[in-house]
Amino acid sequence: QVQLVQSGAEAKRPGASVKVSCKTSGYTFTGYYIHWVRQAPGQGLEWMGWFNPKNIGTKYAQKFQGRVTMSRDMSTSTVSMELSRLRSDDTAVYYCARVGCSSSSCHLYYMDVWGKGTTVTVSS
Amino acid sequence: IQLTQSPSSLSASIGDRVTITCRASQGISSALAWYQQISGRAPKLLIYDASRLESGVPSRFSGSRSGTDFTLTISSLQPEDFATYYCQQFNSYPITFGQGTRLDIK
Repeated sequence: QVQLVQSGAEAKRPGASVKVSCKTSGYTFTGYYIHWVRQAPGQGLEWMGWFNPKNIGTKYAQKFQGRVTMSRDMSTSTVSMELSRLRSDDTAVYYCARVGCSSSSCHLYYMDVWGKGTTVTVSS
Repeated sequence: IQLTQSPSSLSASIGDRVTITCRASQGISSALAWYQQISGRAPKLLIYDASRLESGVPSRFSGSRSGTDFTLTISSLQPEDFATYYCQQFNSYPITFGQGTRLDIK
């Protein structure tokens, strides 16, 4: 079955970087965009951007431009999201999610399968 | 595009019919999805394209659209339905979510 398995919780200092991974299985890795969404404690969902595993294309939300980098590892069918210059308000659960269709135009879409989330805590 | 959900919270009983509304600040066609999030877990897709039921989701969930107003209806609440519900638009960037509607037991 389709699965997205995320890396474990991270604790970081302000100013540091964090890299969260999302290992995919059960489908063609290059066939679906992966989005990243985060959720601060007690808050709603916030879209961060997407990554295209087929051609390493990206689109980032303006809020995260310059601080976020998404990448892939083809050998393990893994997509990663790195966030730099961390601040306390980056404390959140970070989710990867697959889009609901496999066309190359399906970047702007809903998300049908989600990882369980990775908790990132930023504190001095 | 701003999505405004109402109500922000709701108390209901098992067997009740519940309706949650999501209003878009501008036209988004039917590019709207609904998710359920049980506390501490990842969101789960319920409805996409405003009214299409995701495979495996119980038929007591339904979605509808009237212009820029979207509705999620649960026809008969079950114990496992108590959760927070979010709408999401995918008509244009940036992708946005509603602020959430928390549904708890009366």
